[in-house]
Amino acid sequence: EVQLVESGGGLVQPGGSLRLSCAASGFTFTRSWMSWVRQAPGKGLEWVANINQDGSQRYYVDSVKGRFTISRDNAKKSLFLQMNSLRAEDTAVYYCARGDYDILTGYYMDVWGKGTTVTVSS
Amino acid sequence: SYELTQPPSVSVSPGQTARITCSGDALPKQYAYWYHQKPGQAPMLIIYKDSERPSGIPERFSGSSSGTTVTLTISGVQAEDEADYYCQSVDSSGTYVTFGGGAKLTVL
Repeated sequence: EVQLVESGGGLVQPGGSLRLSCAASGFTFTRSWMSWVRQAPGKGLEWVANINQDGSQRYYVDSVKGRFTISRDNAKKSLFLQMNSLRAEDTAVYYCARGDYDILTGYYMDVWGKGTTVTVSS
Repeated sequence: SYELTQPPSVSVSPGQTARITCSGDALPKQYAYWYHQKPGQAPMLIIYKDSERPSGIPERFSGSSSGTTVTLTISGVQAEDEADYYCQSVDSSGTYVTFGGGAKLTVL
């Protein structure tokens, strides 16, 4: 069964840091682009970051550039999101998703985890 | 930043056809993708490359594209289709992902 399981969410103070993890199973992780997408309470989906198969290409939404870092460990079939200088507006459910990218067809996400909740508050 | 525009809400009676639009300047050159999300659940891909359906998605879900607008059509709407629907694409560079604001489908 194809599965993504996020962990690492929690309550953190403004300015603090948190590292999210995503464990992948049931598919060839090394062949897949991966993404983080978030959803603030009562709001829509917001793409956060993408990473390619070997980690050599990384893309971020403008609001997290310089604060968040996406990375992966192919040997452990794991995806990570290091979040620094957290702000109240980063409060959201963070989803890990498997991506599919092609220069002709663009990028989309076909498998999603259930999400992990990050709350930034004092 | 690139934007995709959706109506915030769509309402239909059971058995009717629901149409949810999504507009964006890059859509003539970039494919659109559709997801639905039920309360408390993760999003699920229901349409890819404008009009293709992943395996397991009912035939009543279909997608189309015309110029800067793509449309998700749900024929014979059922109560279980009540959910939030999001379109998604990439900008003209093909690099940055964007979601529409989401449309809440209400089955009357």
